[in-house]
Amino acid sequence: GENVEQHPSTLSVQEGDSAVIKCTYSDSASNYFPWYKQELGKGPQLIIDIRSNVGEKKDQRIAVTLNKTAKHFSLHITETQPEDSAVYFCAASKTGGSYIPTFGRGTSLIVHP
Amino acid sequence: EPEVTQTPSHQVTQMGQEVILRCVPISNHLYFYWYRQILGQKVEFLVSFYNNEISEKSEIFDDQFSVERPDGSNFTLKIRSTKLEDSAMYFCASRAGGPSEQFFGPGTRLTVL
Repeated sequence: GENVEQHPSTLSVQEGDSAVIKCTYSDSASNYFPWYKQELGKGPQLIIDIRSNVGEKKDQRIAVTLNKTAKHFSLHITETQPEDSAVYFCAASKTGGSYIPTFGRGTSLIVHP
Repeated sequence: EPEVTQTPSHQVTQMGQEVILRCVPISNHLYFYWYRQILGQKVEFLVSFYNNEISEKSEIFDDQFSVERPDGSNFTLKIRSTKLEDSAMYFCASRAGGPSEQFFGPGTRLTVL
C-alpha cells in the first residue's frame, strides 16, 4: 500500500518568514495530493491540493509543488502569520472510487510574532 | 456554510463497553468516511461508505467495528467491545460525488479506561 513520509515534524519560524514542508510517497499510481491544516480541537481542513497532471499550484500565500519522478511534493507558505500556526498534513491518494488518502505524520508549524 | 458535525465531542468509557459515535455529514454528499488519530500520530483511514454499504475498509476496521446510516442523515460508528488501544480521536468525513474534497468533522475524542 501507499506510504507517505513527512518532514519536518516540527517547524518554528518568525512571522513573515517562509515555511516549507516536504513529503514523499511510495505508490506511483497515486495522482491526487491534498494538504490539510488542523487547528487545535478541530478536524483537518483542506487548504490546497494538486493533481499529478500539474507540477505546481498556487493560492495566495500557499503553493504546492509536485515532482512525480522523484515522488516528492511540498507545501510552501510565504509571509507566515501567527494564524498559520497549526498542524499540517500531506496526503496521497488515487482518484476514482473512494478517494481514500494516506496521510503523513503531520508537521506542527509554529509562527512566532 | 455546510459542515460535518459529530457528537459527542468527548466520550469516556470502560474497557469492554460498546460505544456509538455519531456524525451528520453534509446533506448532499454521497461518500462517508471514518478515520482515527491516536494522540500524536497520523490520521488513519478506517472505513468508507457509499450507496448504503461499505465500499472500502482498512485492517484496523475489524469485527469489533460497524457503521450504519440509519436514517439518511446520521452516519454512526459502533465499537462493540472497546479496548484501551481504541482511545483516539475519531473523525467523520463526507464527500460529494466525483473529484471533490473530503470535509472533516471536528472529531470525537474517545477515552477507554
